[in-house]
Amino acid sequence: AQSVTQLDSHVSVSEGTPVLLRCNYSSSYSPSLFWYVQHPNKGLQLLLKYTSAATLVKGINGFEAEFKKSETSFHLTKPSAHMSDAAEYFCVVSDQASNFGNEKLTFGTGTRLTIIP
Amino acid sequence: GAGVSQSPRYKVTKRGQDVALRCDPISGHVSLYWYRQALGQGPEFLTYFNYEAQQDKSGLPNDRFSAERPEGSISTLTIQRTEQRDSAMYRCASTKDILTYNEQFFGPGTRLTVL
Repeated sequence: AQSVTQLDSHVSVSEGTPVLLRCNYSSSYSPSLFWYVQHPNKGLQLLLKYTSAATLVKGINGFEAEFKKSETSFHLTKPSAHMSDAAEYFCVVSDQASNFGNEKLTFGTGTRLTIIP
Repeated sequence: GAGVSQSPRYKVTKRGQDVALRCDPISGHVSLYWYRQALGQGPEFLTYFNYEAQQDKSGLPNDRFSAERPEGSISTLTIQRTEQRDSAMYRCASTKDILTYNEQFFGPGTRLTVL
C-alpha cells in the first residue's frame, strides 16, 4: 500500500515570505502525487499533480512542488505567502483502483498553514 | 450549480438512528467517490462508482455502511444504527470520466455528529 507522511501538522509564516510544506511518500513503484488545499467550509481543491512527466510541477496560485525520487519527497513551495493562502494542505498519493483506471486517493494528515500579517 | 453538492451540510443524530447522506456530482461526471474525514485527519476512501456500478467498496468500515447510485448520477451513502464513532465529515468527489490522473472535484462535505 502506498502512503504519504506530512512532516508538519502546523506551519506559520509571515506574509511575503516563502512557504515550504513537507511531504514524503512511500510507494513500491512510481506514484502519482498531488497536493490539495482545503479552505474553511469549502471543498478540497486540487493545487497541482505529478504524473511522471516533469519533476517540477507548477500549480495554481503560485504554488509548485518538486518530485525527488532519491529522497521520496514531494514538498510544496511558494516564493511569497499571501494572506489568502491560509488553509489546510494535504499531500496525496494515488493508487490505481482497478483496471478501469480510477484512482483511490490516499491523503496525508494535513498541514495547517497560518499566515502572519 | 457548477460544482459537487452535498446535503445536508450538517446532520446531528442520536445513536442507533439511520442516516442518509446525499451527493450530487457535477453534471455528466461518470465516476463518483465517497471519503470519510475524521477530525484532524485526511480523508479516507470509502467506495466509488462508475456510472451506476459500485466498483470498489473496500473502504466501507462495516456492513452498517452502504452506498448506491441507481441512475448513475446522485448517490446516497447510508449509515444504519449509527454509533458515536461514525461522527466525521463525509466527502463526495466526482470525475469527468474513467481515466487515470483525472482530477477529483470535491463537494463541501456533510458534517455528521452522532450523539
